Amino acid sequence: QVQLVQSGAEMKKSGASVKVSCKASGFDFTGHFLYWVRQAPGQGLESMGWINCGTGATTYAEKFQGRLTLTRDTSINTAYMELTSLRPDDSAVYYCARPIGGRYEAGDLWGQGSLVNVSS
Amino acid sequence: SSVLTQPPSVSVAPGQTARIPCGGHDIGPVHWYHQKPGQAPILVVSDTSHRPSGIPERFSGSGSGNTATLTITRVEAGDEADYYCQVWDVNRDLWVFGGGTKLTVL
Repeated sequence: QVQLVQSGAEMKKSGASVKVSCKASGFDFTGHFLYWVRQAPGQGLESMGWINCGTGATTYAEKFQGRLTLTRDTSINTAYMELTSLRPDDSAVYYCARPIGGRYEAGDLWGQGSLVNVSS
Repeated sequence: SSVLTQPPSVSVAPGQTARIPCGGHDIGPVHWYHQKPGQAPILVVSDTSHRPSGIPERFSGSGSGNTATLTITRVEAGDEADYYCQVWDVNRDLWVFGGGTKLTVL
């Protein structure tokens, strides 16, 4: 079954870090990119960055530079999103999403989302 | 950089046609998603006018230049959701999303 399955909800304190996983199955993991997109409560979708699951190359949105690290483990077809120095306004649902082909294409497969709640 | 503008809300009666615009400067291929509360986004139109398999024919996309439009014909109660347009920002090398439009079925 083609799917992306994400890790569960996390409760964190300000200043802590969080690492969310996204396990891929049913398709060629290393032949794709994965995006990370977040959605604060009641807000829209915000693109954080992407990783090339084959080469490990990454691009990060400017607002997350220095706090965001995207990695992957090809042995278990899993991508990770780590966000450091958490603030309450980082509270959001975090999604991984697979573009159809290149990183410029639409996202045809999304994980179920991982809720991260940050308290002060 | 790409800034995509969507109206916050669109309302339509059941059976009627809903049109959701997405504006931007020379925005190129546009992708559309719908998202229901508590669920992940689902792709309903890619590359401005391509409908993925499994998406009803009632959903269609069009556009060129500075505006793209998602059209939903014969609107049903189950179409009520948030709709987002998305493009690829070549300068930032990232997806960029519009602010989203809440479709209300009256």
